Amino acid sequence: KAGVTQTPRYLIKTRGQQVTLSCSPISGHRSVSWYQQTPGQGLQFLFEYFSETQRNKGNFPGRFSGRQFSNSRSEMNVSTLELGDSALYLCASSLARGSTDTQYFGPGTRLTVL
Amino acid sequence: KQEVTQIPAALSVPEGENLVLNCSFTDSAIYNLQWFRQDPGKGLTSLLLIQSSQREQTSGRLNASLDKSSGRSTLYIAASQPGDSATYLCAAPNSGNTPLVFGKGTRLSVIA
Repeated sequence: KAGVTQTPRYLIKTRGQQVTLSCSPISGHRSVSWYQQTPGQGLQFLFEYFSETQRNKGNFPGRFSGRQFSNSRSEMNVSTLELGDSALYLCASSLARGSTDTQYFGPGTRLTVL
Repeated sequence: KQEVTQIPAALSVPEGENLVLNCSFTDSAIYNLQWFRQDPGKGLTSLLLIQSSQREQTSGRLNASLDKSSGRSTLYIAASQPGDSATYLCAAPNSGNTPLVFGKGTRLSVIA
């Protein structure tokens, strides 16, 4: 069974631009969660989608948004990029919503904002 | 609000040594506790999940314990190998419907 895939793996953008990241969960998984990882803050929760509905949202500004499609694939968008948005963005999928069962993580998208 | 702490931030041991990694959490009403491994520049790999009703879980050379009353979990690695070198993270949700709250990890180096 294929694991969680994320595209692209690397991105370089400049301040003020916007970016869209994609996550394809493990087949059959309906929950997708997004996390931001930085050296200073560690892993911070962005949002969770289950059955195309946002179920939880972390403490991030409205520039960060996401959605989930009927095939459970998810995208997150960051508008008006800031230098501080440089990070590794990880998505995780699971069978059930929330943190009920094991979370399977993708390899991440490394975003650099110049 | 749940807070998860992992001390030490880094640990270096010689190959073959048994070792323990520590994880503390502030809210004992956790739903489960999960341990992950992260190799440099990579995503997280799930190692063990302990339900709140369990005291420990084992997988190969790994054993994780959970003591909710003291707000602690430990990950025991037996007979460490250089391939065990990675950052180990623990995470706990407050309920089944809330996201994982992660510690900042312990970076382990196993020296051959």
